[in-house]
Amino acid sequence: DTGVSQDPRHKITKRGQNVTFRCDPISEHNRLYWYRQTLGQGPEFLTYFQNEAQLEKSRLLSDRFSAERPKGSFSTLEIQRTEQGDSAMYLCASSSQKTGVNEQFFGPGTRLTVL
Amino acid sequence: AQRVTQPEKLLSVFKGAPVELKCNYSYSGSPELFWYVQYSRQRLQLLLRHISRESIKGFTADLNKGETSFHLKKPFAQEEDSAMYYCALRGRDSNYQLIWGAGTKLIIKP
Repeated sequence: DTGVSQDPRHKITKRGQNVTFRCDPISEHNRLYWYRQTLGQGPEFLTYFQNEAQLEKSRLLSDRFSAERPKGSFSTLEIQRTEQGDSAMYLCASSSQKTGVNEQFFGPGTRLTVL
Repeated sequence: AQRVTQPEKLLSVFKGAPVELKCNYSYSGSPELFWYVQYSRQRLQLLLRHISRESIKGFTADLNKGETSFHLKKPFAQEEDSAMYYCALRGRDSNYQLIWGAGTKLIIKP
């Protein structure tokens, strides 16, 4: 499967714990995005990487959230001191600057449940 | 403020009937509009973009700048069209982040 992959697919944690999600984009894609989606809503932008540089970060992203893309390939999203309000589907997407099409390809998502 | 509104959370039509999924946007500039679709148990995928002016799976969407709308249409619905449909906007001065509507669940009845 050469599409975007995310790990884990499901995560259940207790309030106050830290969690980390991983996203592997399509190999030739230099752009990577994280979104959060809650029930009944569309995806909500969190952050954007071009290669290893984090170029844009939503104001909605509190300082408990941090994302990295150290070698410009896979990315991690960490949430510290999780709260029940963090329960959501976390989506990763990637796109290629080269094609100029800007079609974002999505992963299957990581569903986080904070108890 | 940049905003995408999909006024219908649920739309149910009979097979063979026309379908129109509404999308209105608010953006002070020249946006790029998209429709994404999510079939049951599948990931989000691009359906069409206004720039390409194409018809995909029988669906078309025209950007109406006067009405700030980008409605998705299909003349004859098929059962396999049942899915969640999301309208999304990208501002031309942004770093490619997408702003999304809340989605419309389309159910095609046999």
